[in-house]
Amino acid sequence: EVQLVESGGGLVQPGGSLRLSCAASGFSFSDYWMHWVRQVPGKGLMWVARIDGNSLIHGSNINYADSVKGRFTISRDNAKNTLYLQMNSLRAEDTAVYYCARGKITLDYWGQGALVTVSS
Amino acid sequence: EIVLTQSPGTLSLSPGERATLSCRASQSVNSRYLAWYQQKPGQSPRLLIFGTSSRATGIPDRFSGSGSGTDFTLTISRLEPEDFAVYFCQQYGTSPTWTFGQGTKVEIK
Repeated sequence: EVQLVESGGGLVQPGGSLRLSCAASGFSFSDYWMHWVRQVPGKGLMWVARIDGNSLIHGSNINYADSVKGRFTISRDNAKNTLYLQMNSLRAEDTAVYYCARGKITLDYWGQGALVTVSS
Repeated sequence: EIVLTQSPGTLSLSPGERATLSCRASQSVNSRYLAWYQQKPGQSPRLLIFGTSSRATGIPDRFSGSGSGTDFTLTISRLEPEDFAVYFCQQYGTSPTWTFGQGTKVEIK
């Protein structure tokens, strides 16, 4: 059974940093592109970042939404089956539930989400 | 960047009725790259339809997708109580980017 479990959310002050993790199981993690998608509670979905599967062969192709470029860093450790999102220089508008998701064109499995609140 | 606009914002229907949800793109979308998701309160999104019209694993056949170019539709033939939720369309674009519509809420009338 495919499982994605996020952790690391919490309350952080504006300008602060936080690192989210997403533990994957039930599939060959290194074979898949992985994403972070966020959602302000009660609002729509916004894609944040994506990383391709096997950095040892292809090199890590990484893409970011313009609103997080230069502040957020997506990475993965295929040996640990874990996806990360390092978030720096956080702003109030980054407050959201952050989901990790698997897929290339479409996102076929999603984690349960981690709430990040940026507030003083 | 392609913008996806979903309509209506809210659809009020009774169980057993047919639901028709629209997703309109600001530019033509490759039909292979258009998907639909369902999200219930307190849950993460679930993939329903990919490639415009293919149902994801385990999705009942009362859900169907259609469309091309800039106009896409998700149809629920007969609403079951568990179908009342928010539905999002999504497209994969060049760069690459993944863009979502703002969602349509299907609520019980």
